[in-house]
Amino acid sequence: AQTVTQSQPEMSVQEAETVTLSCTYDTSESDYYLFWYKQPPSRQMILVIRQEAYKQQNATENRFSVNFQKAAKSFSLKISDSQLGDAAMYFCAYRSPELTTDSWGKLQFGAGTQVVVTP
Amino acid sequence: SQTIHQWPATLVQPVGSPLSLECTVEGTSNPNLYWYRQAAGRGLQLLFYSVGIGQISSEVPQNLSASRPQDRQFILSSKKLLLSDSGFYLCAWGRRSGSTDTQYFGPGTRLTVL
Repeated sequence: AQTVTQSQPEMSVQEAETVTLSCTYDTSESDYYLFWYKQPPSRQMILVIRQEAYKQQNATENRFSVNFQKAAKSFSLKISDSQLGDAAMYFCAYRSPELTTDSWGKLQFGAGTQVVVTP
Repeated sequence: SQTIHQWPATLVQPVGSPLSLECTVEGTSNPNLYWYRQAAGRGLQLLFYSVGIGQISSEVPQNLSASRPQDRQFILSSKKLLLSDSGFYLCAWGRRSGSTDTQYFGPGTRLTVL
């Protein structure tokens, strides 16, 4: 079974600065999908960014970008120009490829990293 | 555009009482549907998922059950709640076709069992 590890329980960053969240995963599959989700105090899970393992180019979404290192099984998230609204719990998630309908789309989540943004 | 609804938003129930949480999706058809639970200060645990009406797969043996009576409706139930059932319950949907199949989450239900 795949496991996702987020080793940083909490990260603090000043406004306008950059913070990087780490995520590692364990898998024997060659094709898969990786996601970062944000959970603000409202607790709704919001998709931040996603990456297909077969793509070498790192995904970016505005101020959010990833550093995907397939050989190292690492998928870090960089938040640039941090804003107060970025304060939230961030979860890394892994999804297996669609081999069978039994495994369709299930996500394996890490434990999360709390991002604190200070003025 | 697609939207996903969950209700109730908050629920306080005594131990031993029944439970019914509802999730509905609008703006799409034939979605994959998922129920997750999040204990306080922890990550998400997949409870059930469904690829079609009446098709339910369970990830973790527990006191809960799920049903999908309609294409865009997913219900989480229990006959008798336990204290350990307390948590935040999230429903999610994903497209059945396509390689990305990103999951989109509802607003969640906070359940407290006393």
